[in-house]
Amino acid sequence: DTAVSQTPKYLVTQMGNDKSIKCEQNLGHDTMYWYKQDSKKFLKIMFSYNNKELIINETVPNRFSPKSPDKAHLNLHINSLELGDSAVYFCASRGTGNTIYFGEGSWLTVV
Amino acid sequence: EDQVTQSPEALRLQEGESSSLNCSYTVSGLRGLFWYRQDPGKGPEFLFTLYSAGEEKEKERLKATLTKKESFLHITAPKPEDSATYLCAVQPSSGSARQLTFGSGTQLTVLP
Repeated sequence: DTAVSQTPKYLVTQMGNDKSIKCEQNLGHDTMYWYKQDSKKFLKIMFSYNNKELIINETVPNRFSPKSPDKAHLNLHINSLELGDSAVYFCASRGTGNTIYFGEGSWLTVV
Repeated sequence: EDQVTQSPEALRLQEGESSSLNCSYTVSGLRGLFWYRQDPGKGPEFLFTLYSAGEEKEKERLKATLTKKESFLHITAPKPEDSATYLCAVQPSSGSARQLTFGSGTQLTVLP
């Protein structure tokens, strides 16, 4: 049983398109995140939601819009994709002891 | 601003050759230091949390230690299945959100 699952795992799309990545966690956690991992492996937080409410919004272009229909789901919608958006996007949730549990990642390639 | 620097960037070991990975950090008060393992094509997998200087945690061939400025991940008699990227992250004790700041990782390769 996957704890944090996200789809799709791979996404290749053209510049200017709009795409979404879906995430679900079955751990019962209240807080969920979106992280971006660049080519140098740095993981940077993009958004954090607690019980469907946005609590962190780092300096991310407003083309990125998270949506949390309930506390088990946090989706990421990206408008007008650019080449620089190519990266791996990880969904995560926070458990006891502030431990973060990550999904398997979504590899986005913009061509 | 919180910073995490990991060294070396890459490390190749022979099976059974013990070594250590370093994580140096600056943070405005440390709430916790986390170690993760990341396999290619996968998300980071939680290994340890350390909360105060002098603390140690062990799991199989891995032992994590913490001082006021750095953490070490010691790998004893590694096996090829220990090959992965090891990520370190710090969580500050202050700030409204206390989100993690990650280092760029050490890519460990253990040769049979």
